[in-house]
Formats: sequence, C-alpha cells, structure tokens
Amino acid sequence: GAGVSQSPRYKVTKRGQDVALRCDPISGHVSLYWYRQALGQGPEFLTYFNYEAQQDKSGLPNDRFSAERPEGSISTLTIQRTEQRDSAMYRCASSLAGGVEQYFGPGTRLTVT
Amino acid sequence: AQTVTQSQPEMSVQEAETVTLSCTYDTSENNYYLFWYKQPPSRQMILVIRQEAYKQQNATENRFSVNFQKAAKSFSLKISDSQLGDTAMYFCAFMLRYQGGSEKLVFGKGMKLTVNP
Repeated sequence: GAGVSQSPRYKVTKRGQDVALRCDPISGHVSLYWYRQALGQGPEFLTYFNYEAQQDKSGLPNDRFSAERPEGSISTLTIQRTEQRDSAMYRCASSLAGGVEQYFGPGTRLTVT
Repeated sequence: AQTVTQSQPEMSVQEAETVTLSCTYDTSENNYYLFWYKQPPSRQMILVIRQEAYKQQNATENRFSVNFQKAAKSFSLKISDSQLGDTAMYFCAFMLRYQGGSEKLVFGKGMKLTVNP
C-alpha cells in the first residue's frame, strides 16, 4: 500500500471488553512498531517486530496487552479487559530492513468508557 | 535508559519569522540518531528532519535546520520563514542505532508551536 494503515480509526468500548487494533505496514517493510500516545504527551514505545518475530515487548504496560504478527505483515495489538486508563491514540509504524526512518500510520483512537 | 526533554511546552511566532525549538537528551551510547517529528492538528506524525550522531555537520531540509551539539547533548530545531502550515506539535526523538536494523524511538513530551498571521 501507499502508507501504513490502521483500523479501526476510532474505537469506543466499555470497560472490561477486549479490543483488537490492526496495523497494515507499508509493503516490503520488515520492521513494525507499536506506540501509545496519551493526550498531550509524546508517543511511548510498546513493542517491536522484525518479520514475524517479536524482538522487544518491554514497553507493554502489563499482561493485558499482547501483540502478534504471524505472517510478518499485518499486526494486531490486543488489549484484554480494557480499563479507562487504556484510552489513548495507538500508533503503528514500519520501516525497511536496516532502515532508520519509521513511517507512522494515522493511529487508532481508543476510548474506554 | 535514554531520555528526551523538551522544556518549552508552547511557543508562538509571527509568520515569516524564525523560531528555534529546543531539545536535550541523555544517553551513555555513542551511536544514535535524533529526529524532529511534526504533528499537525490532523494528528499525523510527519518526519521533519533527522541527524546521525556520527556526523558533525548539522542536517538541513529546506526551511528546517538543526543545531546538534553532541557534547552538550542538545538538538534544537530552527524553522526559518515560518508559515501558517508550520502550526503543530513538534516532538524531538532519539533512537539507538544497532547494526542491522531500526530500534525504538524515545520521544519528548512535545512542544506546541503556533504561527500567527
């Protein structure tokens, strides 16, 4: 595709529900990153994949958060038993193998009520 | 751990003027990159400029240039001839560079720039 795409763009869910956020990276990009951005803050790293391998998940806040990228392309970030504090913009970025620049998607704005 | 600090939360400037956004960072590593990202009201994240730590020459992209002071761990962004479209949040970001691939970005809290007509 022309750029990184994310779906849904907006998600409102009730506390306690599970949500799945999808990221489709730029074609050919082997590295994929997830970030979370609270209102008025900079993005914070969550996790990173190289192909299908999750290389770093040190930023995932707790075990309710998980991510996968089974075929080395599309990735899903899942939040179980959502809480109000999970409300934020969730951003995905991708880069080429050995690439320095990360290209960001439009984000998914998650609101937990 | 690496940290990035943007101490000015907000600035405003008149159209056509020059403005400088400040950023400091902390790391014990020697091989890294620094970036400035722009986030307009649409909330996209747009790369403005990047600097390799091993390069002494400051990066320049049209109206945007940086002042990279490695010893002082300072990385400021200068916007010349400010335009209304420059109104946005600006984020300074740091990335360690390991051989063979990209690494996570560490962002500052951001600074809101308003360009007034």
